[in-house]
Amino acid sequence: EAGVTQFPSHSVIEKGQTVTLRCDPISGHDNLYWYRRVMGKEIKFLLHFVKESKQDESGMPNNRFLAERTGGTYSTLKVQPAELEDSGVYFCASSRDGYYGYTFGSGTRLTVV
Amino acid sequence: AQSVTQLGSHVSVSEGALVLLRCNYSSSVPPYLFWYVQYPNQGLQLLLKYTSAATLVKGINGFEAEFKKSETSFHLTKPSAHMSDAAEYFCAVSDPSGNQFYFGTGTSLTVIP
Repeated sequence: EAGVTQFPSHSVIEKGQTVTLRCDPISGHDNLYWYRRVMGKEIKFLLHFVKESKQDESGMPNNRFLAERTGGTYSTLKVQPAELEDSGVYFCASSRDGYYGYTFGSGTRLTVV
Repeated sequence: AQSVTQLGSHVSVSEGALVLLRCNYSSSVPPYLFWYVQYPNQGLQLLLKYTSAATLVKGINGFEAEFKKSETSFHLTKPSAHMSDAAEYFCAVSDPSGNQFYFGTGTSLTVIP
């Protein structure tokens, strides 16, 4: 089966600009997750979708971040406006059942300059 | 609340030597524990998981981990390091729902020829 696909792999934007990250989960995986790793720190949970609904968005840092999941398929994470501290690697993951572990994408490395 | 501590952000071993990567967890409930590996320019790949069955868990690529409740540890080992094991390793514990993971800060493994 195809894995979790994230696009773009890298993005460099200026402070104040908008960036949209995309994640295509494994087909049939209702659960979709976003995580972020700021340089040198732990990977932190951002939010969890079940199909198109946000199940848990407790990790979203502020209202500059907006996540959507269209029709329960792919998901986007928009940062508007981007700040320097938003730099990091954004991981998407999907699963049928979280107890068995996720399948992660290769991440999007976001650099805000 | 769940949390994970990985001791040693960088570990170097000689090829053929024992690999030991340390992970201690904190959890208010019986934990689900995971080790993930990230090879350069790739996503996070599940190495192994503990879900309250056998305390010694075998994973891919010859890795294994032992759950020790008395020590709240879940250290990752491999008897003989291979050059291809050079990567970053993450220990994680999930919340009771299995839908939010708490990661450690990662350990970068270098294998010296």
